[in-house]
Amino acid sequence: DAKTTQPTSMDCAEGRAANLPCNHSTISGNEYVYWYRQIHSQGPQYIIHGLKNNETNEMASLIITEDRKSSTLILPHATLRDTAVYYCIVSSGSRLTFGEGTQLTVNP
Amino acid sequence: NAGVMQNPRHLVRRRGQEARLRCSPMKGHSHVYWYRQLPEEGLKFMVYLQKENIIDESGMPKERFSAEFPKEGPSILRIQQVVRGDSAAYFCASSPGQGYSYGYTFGSGTRLTVV
Repeated sequence: DAKTTQPTSMDCAEGRAANLPCNHSTISGNEYVYWYRQIHSQGPQYIIHGLKNNETNEMASLIITEDRKSSTLILPHATLRDTAVYYCIVSSGSRLTFGEGTQLTVNP
Repeated sequence: NAGVMQNPRHLVRRRGQEARLRCSPMKGHSHVYWYRQLPEEGLKFMVYLQKENIIDESGMPKERFSAEFPKEGPSILRIQQVVRGDSAAYFCASSPGQGYSYGYTFGSGTRLTVV
């Protein structure tokens, strides 16, 4: 599976959009981009995934560049409960390899 | 529709004892994955199982650790002769199949403490 690069940490004001970037320049054609988050050592929670088109669900939006070498997870209106470690993972689905992720802190 | 169920939530074992961690996948899911998270570290893949088969155990320590997913019943992660370094959170995830594009559903984990 392709490797991903994410910033170590980010801050966001409550109520504002949180934009979390991820680089995956070695992604191959059959690999999906997945986003998970882990809130304070709970089990990882699925957020969203995509192959090449932008995706949106009730939690977030995923923007994937046309060359698929990077993506951005968007939380449109961040709340304090969105404070978590966010993992960007590239995988063909056989297994997920977690990196270090981005610690997102939402501030009041 | 119950999610992935792991038990116990917390487990305390003395050094040298055995730890057995159980994972019941979501209904309709036949693929199970185990991950370990050491304190202040990220999640590390351990093993991937289907019913009655180990598909990928490349992340399992060579000794003392074993996993099974029988035809009936939950998946079991077994750690023999536990040591303090085994203290960690162990997460189980399930999916409907290999290569399934929707990713995994994780359980709440078992926190193992070795004293």
